[in-house]
Amino acid sequence: DGGITQSPKYLFRKEGQNVTLSCEQNLNHDAMYWYRQDPGQGLRLIYYSQIVNDFQKGDIAEGYSVSREKKESFPLTVTSAQKNPTAFYLCASSIRGGWNEQFFGPGTRLTVL
Amino acid sequence: SQQGEEDPQALSIQEGENATMNCSYKTSINNLQWYRQNSGRGLVHLILIRSNEREKHSGRLRVTLDTSKKSSSLLITASRAADTASYFCATDANTQGGSEKLVFGKGTKLTVNP
Repeated sequence: DGGITQSPKYLFRKEGQNVTLSCEQNLNHDAMYWYRQDPGQGLRLIYYSQIVNDFQKGDIAEGYSVSREKKESFPLTVTSAQKNPTAFYLCASSIRGGWNEQFFGPGTRLTVL
Repeated sequence: SQQGEEDPQALSIQEGENATMNCSYKTSINNLQWYRQNSGRGLVHLILIRSNEREKHSGRLRVTLDTSKKSSSLLITASRAADTASYFCATDANTQGGSEKLVFGKGTKLTVNP
């Protein structure tokens, strides 16, 4: 089946720890995106990548880091520098170009203990 | 940055009624998209309307776009309890360098009561 997967579904982190969220797609899409969603809010863009080995900061990149070494993978690291990391994280992919339909993964809910 | 703003923030209706949600945005766009999100899930793409289109249909969904007013509406006809979800509009930026990302609004939370 073609699609986009995220793991884990739930993640708990102690303060001061870095954690990495996985995002994998087999849709052969060039572009991938990471969003953060807080309760009752819309999506805010953290990082995006239009092509392998290249990525750009979104609106709220501080405290996060990404890599894009493979076309199908775009992992997100939430560092200890992120002051309020508890949120729902969504990964998406699309054909290259911001005007195209995005396909979303099921999300990872991160809770800081 | 530009952002779609949905209105109302929340909408509660009875099964069988129509639901209308509105979206306003700030700058020129290539297209506008609507997405649906069930609670605790990822978003699902519903429909895309290009800037040169005025109306588009998909099943029970009808989307209109008025670029002069920078607004769009999503109509769900004959609603069902399964339509209960949050609905988001998303716009890209029509810039000289091309657009590389979508900007999402805060969404309308629709509740359809059986």
